[in-house]
Amino acid sequence: GAVVSQHPSWVICKSGTSVKIECRSLDFQATTMFWYRQFPKQSLMLMATSNEGSKATYEQGVEKDKFLINHASLTLSTLTVTSAHPEDSSFYICSAQGRLTPNIQYFGAGTRLSVL
Amino acid sequence: QQPVQSPQAVILREGEDAVINCSSSKALYSVHWYRQKHGEAPVFLMILLKGGEQKGHDKISASFNEKKQQSSLYLTASQLSYSGTYFCGTVPTGANSKLTFGKGITLSVRP
Repeated sequence: GAVVSQHPSWVICKSGTSVKIECRSLDFQATTMFWYRQFPKQSLMLMATSNEGSKATYEQGVEKDKFLINHASLTLSTLTVTSAHPEDSSFYICSAQGRLTPNIQYFGAGTRLSVL
Repeated sequence: QQPVQSPQAVILREGEDAVINCSSSKALYSVHWYRQKHGEAPVFLMILLKGGEQKGHDKISASFNEKKQQSSLYLTASQLSYSGTYFCGTVPTGANSKLTFGKGITLSVRP
């Protein structure tokens, strides 16, 4: 149980294009989803928190117009990196939290974004 | 506030034991332990909510001290599959508190 699927696993794009990453909870309803960014050999840095049907809450320093988050249903959240630039290259990981285990975040496998 | 993890890295041989620590300067609501292998998602290991709590699964266990400011993860008779980066995440007491991860500790188990 508690499986979170993240797609795609990796993406390479040209500078200036937009990239969408999907995060799905496969066997539970995710009341809250989180988006993290991880640099090589570093910790997970929270970017934003999203609750189903409401606007995402962004952490300080994260541009909401740059990183668009949509949490349209209890099983799906998307992160769109708009007008991506090389400095946006990173490992993006989502996690989901459900009602049955409200204190536990289950993570997706992550998406490696490389912007050329 | 980011928790502090120690030691910075652990190298051990298969069958040996290891202890990883996680500490905070403030009282915590909960401590979460995850293991991440290179290029993969962090995998949830366990959560501790009560001061003085100890829990475990198979040969991996964890404790949460009475003051709820320090937690330790114990790996007993380590296996090759235990290799990875171990993150502790902490949630401080108080409303609207968020999970913050430590920098992680790389643990390598060698044959």
